[in-house]
Amino acid sequence: DAGVIQSPRHEVTEMGQEVTLRCKPISGHDYLFWYRQTMMRGLELLIYFNNNVPIDDSGMPEDRFSAKMPNASFSTLKIQPSEPRDSAVYFCASSLSLAGGDTQYFGPGTRLTVL
Amino acid sequence: GQNIDQPTEMTATEGAIVQINCTYQTSGFNGLFWYQQHAGEAPTFLSYNVLDGLEEKGRFSSFLSRSKGYSYLLLKELQMKDSASYLCAVRVFSGGYNKLIFGAGTRLAVHP
Repeated sequence: DAGVIQSPRHEVTEMGQEVTLRCKPISGHDYLFWYRQTMMRGLELLIYFNNNVPIDDSGMPEDRFSAKMPNASFSTLKIQPSEPRDSAVYFCASSLSLAGGDTQYFGPGTRLTVL
Repeated sequence: GQNIDQPTEMTATEGAIVQINCTYQTSGFNGLFWYQQHAGEAPTFLSYNVLDGLEEKGRFSSFLSRSKGYSYLLLKELQMKDSASYLCAVRVFSGGYNKLIFGAGTRLAVHP
């Protein structure tokens, strides 16, 4: 399997622009997660989906952030409008379940810089 | 609230043994994971503990004491490539579902 795929790998944009991050989970995984990592706050869960349905979005910072999963093989995280404080590495991860030793497999991440 | 504490940085010598501690104060504990993250890369799974005791996997071992809210990751025969951040993550059951909460990570530098 190719693992979790994310695009783009790097994104540089200006404040106020819309940013869309994309993720393809591992085939057969029922859970998909979006995380944000910064030096100050570490790795934070933003939202996760089970069978394409959002389960916990309590980590989404504010209304500027939205996430969708239209089918089992694709998800997007959108920031509109973007702000400099959104600069971070955004990881997508997927897992078979949230039980037992089933681990989350992370994608390579998208490094976002908002100027 | 949910809280996970790890040392920020550690240094060790190639060939030595290092122990990275993790303490947690969480409700609804449902398992503990350790991940390794090299600079500029994604976290990768190292180990999983849900019962008290030691889990050994090659050069890496992980220990859990649920009553003390304590875990450690033990790395033996350190190699330069072990220089990375090590993230402790606790799975909790809250609000009707499981979720993973990550510590801030411990940056380990291995020197010759």
